[in-house]
Amino acid sequence: EVQLLESGGGLVQPGGSLRLSCAASGFTFSNYGMSWVRQAPGKGLEWVSAISGSGGSTYHAASVRGRFTISKDISKNTLYLQMNSLRAEDTAIYYCAKEGGTANFDYWGQGTLVTVSS
Amino acid sequence: QSALTQPRSVSGSPGQSVTISCTGTSSDVGGYDYVSWYQQHPGKAPKLMIYDVSQRPSGVPDRFSGSKSGNTASLTISGLQAGDEADYYCCSYAGNPRVFGGGTKLTVL
Repeated sequence: EVQLLESGGGLVQPGGSLRLSCAASGFTFSNYGMSWVRQAPGKGLEWVSAISGSGGSTYHAASVRGRFTISKDISKNTLYLQMNSLRAEDTAIYYCAKEGGTANFDYWGQGTLVTVSS
Repeated sequence: QSALTQPRSVSGSPGQSVTISCTGTSSDVGGYDYVSWYQQHPGKAPKLMIYDVSQRPSGVPDRFSGSKSGNTASLTISGLQAGDEADYYCCSYAGNPRVFGGGTKLTVL
């Protein structure tokens, strides 16, 4: 059974940093791309970042490029999102999602809440 | 990359059919057969309902179907049930980014 468990969310001041983690199990982690998708309170879904199965290729939305970095540790079956220079508009639930092979998200974690506020 | 355009809300009575549209451009919806649809109930994570325009994951009822014409994809739900009331999001591959629609709230009357 595929399981994705996010952690690392919390309250951070504007300009601060946070690292999210997503522990994956139930599939061969190195064979599948992964993404982070966020949802601001009361708003829709927004794709944030993606990484290839091997971790060799990464992609970021324009809204976070240069501030967020996606990575994965295959030995630990864990996905990360390093978030720097956080802004109020980054406040959202952050979901990690397994990619099914053609840019679809076939499994999702339960999400972790990031709140950027002073 | 702009968000895909979905109607804010749709509604239907139990047993009826509804269709949710998702309009993009030739750089996303129209350029690839990689459109997916997600169902999200309040307080829950999204669930994949359709991928590759019209494919259903195992476990998703065949009441859910997808199609595409040009730059517009559609999700049709037939035989509406109370449990179908939720938010629905489309998503398309757009080169390396992926882009979501703004979401549609389905109300079952």
